[in-house]
Amino acid sequence: DAGVIQSPRHEVTEMGQEVTLRCKPISGHNSLFWYRQTMMRGLELLIYFNNNVPIDDSGMPEDRFSAKMPNASFSTLKIQPSEPRDSAVYFCASSPRTGKDTEAFFGQGTRLTVV
Amino acid sequence: GENVEQHPSTLSVQEGDSAVIKCTYSDSASNYFPWYKQELGKGPQLIIDIRSNVGEKKDQRIAVTLNKTAKHFSLHITETQPEDSAVYFCAATRVNDMRFGAGTRLTVKP
Repeated sequence: DAGVIQSPRHEVTEMGQEVTLRCKPISGHNSLFWYRQTMMRGLELLIYFNNNVPIDDSGMPEDRFSAKMPNASFSTLKIQPSEPRDSAVYFCASSPRTGKDTEAFFGQGTRLTVV
Repeated sequence: GENVEQHPSTLSVQEGDSAVIKCTYSDSASNYFPWYKQELGKGPQLIIDIRSNVGEKKDQRIAVTLNKTAKHFSLHITETQPEDSAVYFCAATRVNDMRFGAGTRLTVKP
């Protein structure tokens, strides 16, 4: 298996632009997580999907952030409009089990820079 | 919600020595404690985990111990090698909550 695949690996955008991050989870996994990693705040869980349904989005920082999972093999995290403080590494992870108390397989991440 | 504290933030050891990283948590309902290793430019990778019904778990050179009463757990790496150099994260989780520690940057000097 190729593991969790994220794209793009790097994204540089101007403030105010829309940014879309993409994730393909491991086949057969029914849980998907989006994380944000910064030096100041460490690893933060943004949203958790189970069987393509958003279960917990309490970590999504603002209405500018939205996430979708239209099917079991694809998810997106969108930021509109983007701001410099959104600069971070965004990780997608998937798990074969339900719940947050389970092993997560992480992708390589997308490094987002908003200038 | 859960609060996880991880110490030390940086750790430097000589090759062959042991390394210990400690985490404390606040929520007694947490029941799953994974440890992740993150190498530069990569995503975190699970290296070992422990559930609350177990006190210790070993996998070759790495081990994790859990003290539920004191609410702390530790990662032990023996016979460290340069390739162990990375950032290590602990986490305390239950079915509807997950919190990571701030991370420990481990450097193993050859």
